Amino acid sequence: QKEVEQNSGPLSVPEGAIASLNCTYSDRGSQSFFWYRQYSGKSPELIMSIYSNGDKEDGRFTAQLNKASQYVSLLIRDSQPSDSATYLCAVNDQAGTALIFGKGTTLSVSS
Amino acid sequence: GAVVSQHPSRVICKSGTSVKIECRSLDFQATTMFWYRQFPKQSLMLMATSNEGSKATYEQGVEKDKFLINHASLTLSTLTVTSAHPEDSSFYICSARDRTGGDYGYTFGSGTRLTVV
Repeated sequence: QKEVEQNSGPLSVPEGAIASLNCTYSDRGSQSFFWYRQYSGKSPELIMSIYSNGDKEDGRFTAQLNKASQYVSLLIRDSQPSDSATYLCAVNDQAGTALIFGKGTTLSVSS
Repeated sequence: GAVVSQHPSRVICKSGTSVKIECRSLDFQATTMFWYRQFPKQSLMLMATSNEGSKATYEQGVEKDKFLINHASLTLSTLTVTSAHPEDSSFYICSARDRTGGDYGYTFGSGTRLTVV
């Protein structure tokens, strides 16, 4: 059974702070890793994808991957109230196969 | 970018009736469509994977006779919930993968909130 684990939160940070979201996965064969943001009642929207060990930065977002530890994280710098949402970690083991999602971490950014 | 149009966005139906949910890829050809279900405060659970022109592959525990999936063309996939019951009330989301794949190869529909009364 392939599993993706996330702390459900809520994670509360003040506006302007760094939010750190973590995810672990069980399948060592996982190849692709994704972070999605989901607002209540809406479908997920892609924030970032990462495939290689190390960091990948895109604007205020940085994804970090450590395949040896089976760990992937997302850092959000200068957090804004509009970042308040549920963040879903997703992985797959082969290009084109279905994504397996974690339960998500709820982030709350207070102004 | 790639867009998947999903309809209806909300539907309320009576117990025992059937509901059809449509997902259309508007500007690309969806060779594969994934159907997910999401209960409140839960994650997206994969229900089935369909490839254009072939039968869908269902995940363990998902009744294929209850959740009928049709992927007859490269731009349209449908999910029909037959003989719906209150426990089928959930948020259903489709996800399509276009031929080019890549980072943005997974495009999600906007979701359908199904309420069975």
